[in-house]
Amino acid sequence: DTAVSQTPKYLVTQMGNDKSIKCEQNLGHDTMYWYKQDSKKFLKIMFSYNNKELIINETVPNRFSPKSPDKAHLNLHINSLELGDSAVYFCASSQDRTSGPSTDTQYFGPGTRLTVL
Amino acid sequence: DQQVKQNSPSLSVQEGRISILNCDYTNSMFDYFLWYKKYPAEGPTFLISISSIKDKNEDGRFTVFLNKSAKHLSLHIVPSQPGDSAVYFCAASWGGSEKLVFGKGMKLTVNP
Repeated sequence: DTAVSQTPKYLVTQMGNDKSIKCEQNLGHDTMYWYKQDSKKFLKIMFSYNNKELIINETVPNRFSPKSPDKAHLNLHINSLELGDSAVYFCASSQDRTSGPSTDTQYFGPGTRLTVL
Repeated sequence: DQQVKQNSPSLSVQEGRISILNCDYTNSMFDYFLWYKKYPAEGPTFLISISSIKDKNEDGRFTVFLNKSAKHLSLHIVPSQPGDSAVYFCAASWGGSEKLVFGKGMKLTVNP
């Protein structure tokens, strides 16, 4: 039973195409995220959704559009793919913090390696 | 601008010895720090965390130390085991935010 799953695992496509990456979590979590790990290995947050509502939206080109049909799913749609979009994209989820200063543990999916040719 | 820095890209230690992974940060607003471990072709998995109100947190073989004045934290693994070989990411957040700022990771190799 995979807690956070992503499909596809690998995605190779041409510049200019539109593609989607799907993410599903079966942990009952309220918050989901998308991260990008670029060629320099930095893992950077792109978006977070809480109960289908956008919470965090980092400086990401508007070609990237997250879509959350329900709180168990957060899909990432990318329009007009560019060479610089090549990276590994990770989905993650966490339970809502009830109290305290700590950040809730985020559970990551296995990643989707996107290659734009 | 890298707010969380892991300046050493890799570390190699012998099985049974101590592994010390270091992390520095620049943002004094950070009040919560985490370590994640990542195996190839898998996502990062949470390892251990520490709040800024503490200077040490221990969980089995893993201990995280926080030096707020130096804006430095370290992860100690003792004794190191071959299964600990992975990439370790340091991350930080503030104010209970879900936004984690990650370092670029450090590859640990534990040799049998």
